Amino acid sequence: DTGVSQDPRHKITKRGQNVTFRCDPISEHNRLYWYRQTLGQGPEFLTYFQNEAQLEKSRLLSDRFSAERPKGSFSTLEIQRTEQGDSAMYLCASSPGTGRMFFGEGSRLTVL
Amino acid sequence: EDQVTQSPEALRLQEGESSSLNCSYTVSGLRGLFWYRQDPGKGPEFLFTLYSAGEEKEKERLKATLTKKESFLHITAPKPEDSATYLCAVHPLSGNTPLVFGKGTRLSVIA
Repeated sequence: DTGVSQDPRHKITKRGQNVTFRCDPISEHNRLYWYRQTLGQGPEFLTYFQNEAQLEKSRLLSDRFSAERPKGSFSTLEIQRTEQGDSAMYLCASSPGTGRMFFGEGSRLTVL
Repeated sequence: EDQVTQSPEALRLQEGESSSLNCSYTVSGLRGLFWYRQDPGKGPEFLFTLYSAGEEKEKERLKATLTKKESFLHITAPKPEDSATYLCAVHPLSGNTPLVFGKGTRLSVIA
């Protein structure tokens, strides 16, 4: 399968703990995006990479969130000192630059 | 600010009962309008891209149309397997702004 893959699919953590999500994009895509989606809402943009450069960050991305894309391949999204409000589906997407995004299955975070 | 509004929030249809979903948008310049389908617990799956007013795209029972202010997703003779959330998104013309999504329409098709 050559689609976008995300890991883990589900994560349950206690408030205050750190969590990290990984995204492996489609190999020939140079653009990678992170979105967050809560129940009944559409995906909300968090951040965007072109190759290894982080080009855009949303105001939603507080200081507790950090994303990396070393060597322009896979990406990680880390949330430090998790809060209950961080509970959501974290979606990764990649694109060859046409605007069309290919999404992964998402990583669902539950903060207790 | 770029904005996408979808209506209705939820729609319940009998199998075979055709209907339309609406996506109204406000954007400084439109590079493209996208429709995605999302099943519960899954990531969005691409359906269509529309680039200019008057354009239409079709796929099986779905047809998407675009005007200068809105897009419609027409569903003809739907089946239960068409039940999903349908998301509309705009790709603004300016800079590196990514897709801006609406909240979606939850479609249920009853046999």
